[in-house]
Amino acid sequence: AQTVTQSQPEMSVQEAETVTLSCTYDTSENNYYLFWYKQPPSRQMILVIRQEAYKQQNATENRFSVNFQKAAKSFSLKISDSQLGDTAMYFCAFRQGAQKLVFGQGTRLTINP
Amino acid sequence: GAVVSQHPSRVICKSGTSVKIECRSLDFQATTMFWYRQFPKQSLMLMATSNEGSKATYEQGVEKDKFLINHASLTLSTLTVTSAHPEDSSFYICSARDRVFGGETQYFGPGTRLLVL
Repeated sequence: AQTVTQSQPEMSVQEAETVTLSCTYDTSENNYYLFWYKQPPSRQMILVIRQEAYKQQNATENRFSVNFQKAAKSFSLKISDSQLGDTAMYFCAFRQGAQKLVFGQGTRLTINP
Repeated sequence: GAVVSQHPSRVICKSGTSVKIECRSLDFQATTMFWYRQFPKQSLMLMATSNEGSKATYEQGVEKDKFLINHASLTLSTLTVTSAHPEDSSFYICSARDRVFGGETQYFGPGTRLLVL
């Protein structure tokens, strides 16, 4: 069974700094999707970024980018120029084909003014 | 972007009553919807997968007679918590896959906070 591990339960950085959240996963499949979701205090889950495993190029969405290392089964999220509104729980998730999403335990990120 | 709504956003009920939560995909069709439960400061726990026009698939340990799921159309799924008890108090989140774009991305509703007294 696929598993997703987020080894950092909590992180805290100053506003405008860059922060990297770690995620590793375990699978024997070659084709799959990886996601980062954000859950702010409102508890609404928001898609931050998505990566298809067959794409070698790392996905980027404005200040958010990923470092996808397929061989190492690593999928970290980098947030540049962090803002107060980035304060949230961040969940890494894996999905193979049409199967269910598998979530990591989450990382609570706090951006300090 | 795709929008998923949930209703109600919060509900308080007495022990023994049933509560229905609606999940709607507002601007896309969703052949598959998912229901999650989330405890404070924890990750999302998948309860069941709902496919339009067929019976839901429940995760191990989830009582299908207690958590009734109906996916009547491509835009609506409902979760009914039957004979609710205080231990059912939790945050329930639905999610839907966008059918048009091959179901690559799941979009989440805002969640429903259930408190059973």
